[in-house]
Amino acid sequence: SQQGEEDPQALSIQEGENATMNCSYKTSINNLQWYRQNSGRGLVHLILIRSNEREKHSGRLRVTLDTSKKSSSLLITASRAADTASYFCATDDPGTYKYIFGTGTRLKVLA
Amino acid sequence: DAGVIQSPRHEVTEMGQEVTLRCKPISGHNSLFWYRQTMMRGLELLIYFNNNVPIDDSGMPEDRFSAKMPNASFSTLKIQPSEPRDSAVYFCASTRGAGGPGTDTQYFGPGTRLTVL
Repeated sequence: SQQGEEDPQALSIQEGENATMNCSYKTSINNLQWYRQNSGRGLVHLILIRSNEREKHSGRLRVTLDTSKKSSSLLITASRAADTASYFCATDDPGTYKYIFGTGTRLKVLA
Repeated sequence: DAGVIQSPRHEVTEMGQEVTLRCKPISGHNSLFWYRQTMMRGLELLIYFNNNVPIDDSGMPEDRFSAKMPNASFSTLKIQPSEPRDSAVYFCASTRGAGGPGTDTQYFGPGTRLTVL
């Protein structure tokens, strides 16, 4: 079964607006990662946040992690049409090399 | 670095035929993962290898699926016989595997889109 569940499933915004997507997971983790998938392509790693971190930034991306609520959010500021993609969270399966991916959020940024 | 290489990119076959998907991980990476992605079930981990050894194949749907990694630079996923419900995009990913479990970035290949008629 899926470890991570993203919310919303789909999001449509205007260029320049901020996009926020959320991920909830079920079990304890060591870290959580966010990936982007453009249509017809493989997933591309965006950012990793460790369980002892609460917030992390990378360019226009901001990720937060709340381990007490077992949830994370990805914020994309000043969105661009090129940000149109599906975004997935992935959590590690502690003690293994496995990652479990969520269901994804389909983001559409309108020019 | 060329990244993770998968072949073929597209495969159309008829039910009952054998299908072999191929993957070349990034040189120096120690772990390799096979995923299947469908609209209904999302991204599912099928099997993963560490240092060429299959570690967890609990995601392999049934005996018709098999995977091998004969050396550090090559892996195959085989479906025999194929069925229409196997139609999906199959991804291969690799990680450096140097930082210990759960610490690595996964690098994905472009995927193989399989259609079984």
